[in-house]
Amino acid sequence: SQTIHQWPATLVQPVGSPLSLECTVEGTSNPNLYWYRQAAGRGLQLLFYSVGIGQISSEVPQNLSASRPQDRQFILSSKKLLLSDSGFYLCAWGDSTNSPLHFGNGTRLTVT
Amino acid sequence: DQQVKQNSPSLSVQEGRISILNCDYTNSMFDYFLWYKKYPAEGPTFLISISSIKDKNEDGRFTVFLNKSAKHLSLHIVPSQPGDSAVYFCAASLADSWGKLQFGAGTQVVVTP
Repeated sequence: SQTIHQWPATLVQPVGSPLSLECTVEGTSNPNLYWYRQAAGRGLQLLFYSVGIGQISSEVPQNLSASRPQDRQFILSSKKLLLSDSGFYLCAWGDSTNSPLHFGNGTRLTVT
Repeated sequence: DQQVKQNSPSLSVQEGRISILNCDYTNSMFDYFLWYKKYPAEGPTFLISISSIKDKNEDGRFTVFLNKSAKHLSLHIVPSQPGDSAVYFCAASLADSWGKLQFGAGTQVVVTP
């Protein structure tokens, strides 16, 4: 069966520090991968998605970037964190058919 | 611009009774609608979905109703159980943008004994 792993579960980082969140998927090949963020009191917002290695699409302008160095690995990064980057970050995978996305357990990021 | 809205941030319901969660959307081009359930410290898990060509989909205790003319969908949980206590998110996607979901802000459901 397919599983998705995200780490770390929680992270506290000072403003201006770098960020690297990692997500890996097991049990499937060539998945579509997604990074979503939930800000306090709001719904999930799509940040990036990828349909293949090295292919990244950004949905909103922001201080973050994403990379997909391997088929089942998706990384969310920032060179310098802002206070507004605080939130709950979720990685998800889906296949190319109309099946629901599967989410990881998320990373709670607090920028201080 | 939030295209999917859940106007009730919370809902309290007695065990055994019906829970009704509501969701409104503004984009008439949405083709597919989903409900996700989320427990604390976990990611959302898929619950039930409905295509825009249908007006009802049922799966066990969960039924989703879609009213396209009103741009409104609802989730009914019957009967409600304590394990249903969670945050429920409504989501929608366009036909050519599968996976690029627009989410509502969520409704916290508490089922009391």
